[in-house]
Amino acid sequence: EPEVTQTPSHQVTQMGQEVILRCVPISNHLYFYWYRQILGQKVEFLVSFYNNEISEKSEIFDDQFSVERPDGSNFTLKIRSTKLEDSAMYFCASSESRGGTDTQYFGPGTRLTVL
Amino acid sequence: LAKTTQPISMDSYEGQEVNITCSHNNIATNDYITWYQQFPSQGPRFIIQGYKTKVTNEVASLFIPADRKSSTLSLPRVSLSDTAVYYCLVAPGSARQLTFGSGTQLTVLP
Repeated sequence: EPEVTQTPSHQVTQMGQEVILRCVPISNHLYFYWYRQILGQKVEFLVSFYNNEISEKSEIFDDQFSVERPDGSNFTLKIRSTKLEDSAMYFCASSESRGGTDTQYFGPGTRLTVL
Repeated sequence: LAKTTQPISMDSYEGQEVNITCSHNNIATNDYITWYQQFPSQGPRFIIQGYKTKVTNEVASLFIPADRKSSTLSLPRVSLSDTAVYYCLVAPGSARQLTFGSGTQLTVLP
C-alpha cells in the first residue's frame, strides 16, 4: 500500500537555526499538506500546497515557515529561525484531489526538538 | 465548520465491539464525516468516511442516521493494538484544512 514517508524521524536543533523537514507524498497525489502537533495538544493545520503554490495556510504559518516541492517527489517544510515553541511533531499529508471526497493520508511524522 | 463532540475516553476489553459516537448538530449539506486513528508519536491514520446511512470497510463500520446530526464508529472485536485516539472530523469532502479536535482515547484492556 502506498504511503507518505518523512525524514528525519527526529531532528534536534538549536534555537535560531534553520531546519528543513522532508516528505515524499504518495506518488499520484496532487495536494500536499503540513500539520503539527505540540506534545499533548491537538493536530493543527499549517499549510496546503497545490500546483506549486500555497493554496491555504493557517495563522501559525508565518514568515518563518516556507514550503517547497524541489523536484517531482519531495515536499519540504523549512523553518528559517527556530524557536523553542516550534518543538512539535510535524506531519506531512497528501491527497489525490480527483474531485468529490479527497482523503488526506498522513506520514509518520518528524519530531522536532528545539533547544 | 461543524463542531463535533465525542467522549474524551473509553475503555473496552479485548474481543468486544466498541462504538464511539460523535455529535455534529450543525453539519452542513456538503459535509462528510471522517474518522482517523492516531497512535502515540505517529501520524493520524484514515479509518473510514461516509455521508449517510452505513459504510463498512475491512477495519470499521460507520453508522450515520438520517438527520446526520451524529455518527457512530464501530470497531468489531477490538484488540490491544486498537488502543489509540480516535478523531471524528466533519468537513466538506474536498476540505483542505482538516480541523482535529481532542478525539476519544480508546483503551483496550486484556
